[in-house]
Amino acid sequence: GENVEQHPSTLSVQEGDSAVIKCTYSDSASNYFPWYKQELGKGPQLIIDIRSNVGEKKDQRIAVTLNKTAKHFSLHITETQPEDSAVYFCAASKGGNEKLTFGTGTRLTIIP
Amino acid sequence: KAGVTQTPRYLIKTRGQQVTLSCSPISGHRSVSWYQQTPGQGLQFLFEYFSETQRNKGNFPGRFSGRQFSNSRSEMNVSTLELGDSALYLCASSLRGLDYEQYFGPGTRLTVT
Repeated sequence: GENVEQHPSTLSVQEGDSAVIKCTYSDSASNYFPWYKQELGKGPQLIIDIRSNVGEKKDQRIAVTLNKTAKHFSLHITETQPEDSAVYFCAASKGGNEKLTFGTGTRLTIIP
Repeated sequence: KAGVTQTPRYLIKTRGQQVTLSCSPISGHRSVSWYQQTPGQGLQFLFEYFSETQRNKGNFPGRFSGRQFSNSRSEMNVSTLELGDSALYLCASSLRGLDYEQYFGPGTRLTVT
């Protein structure tokens, strides 16, 4: 089955700097790649997603890039703010209502 | 629009007992999926229901079961609880299914002693 690896497991950045989280997937048939943010005591919340027919997607300070050849995708957060502190999860799916396989999560801490 | 609600939020059970967790999806969402979240295994998919039918199932033993009602509300049952079942159980709803935006509830924290 699909395997998703996520790095780093923890990341600390100064407020205002950029943060990058990377994921690799094993199944070349995967074509849907969402990113979720989980704050303490809450369920995960979708922050951005990308499908395999595009290479990059942006939403304000957040962007995701996808390299299908290398089978990896990355989350980029620019101008980080304290409220960006949370655990971030990547996931992959083959589409067609196939299940999501999640990465192990990255705990992002923004240092004021 | 109200979000996904899960009840109860916290639960303590003893080994060997069974437990039922409840999930109310966002109004209009017909897909409800369940996940187990633990520090060791992360987020793992249990199953998904759509219009009262199980469409997808993860790699969990038969002790884990679920159902969905005609109003899209869903329940998850775990029988013969084991210590390793201690986890946060998350429910998510979606308009269409697993490869579209999932809206997660706050979860039910189950502790098995």
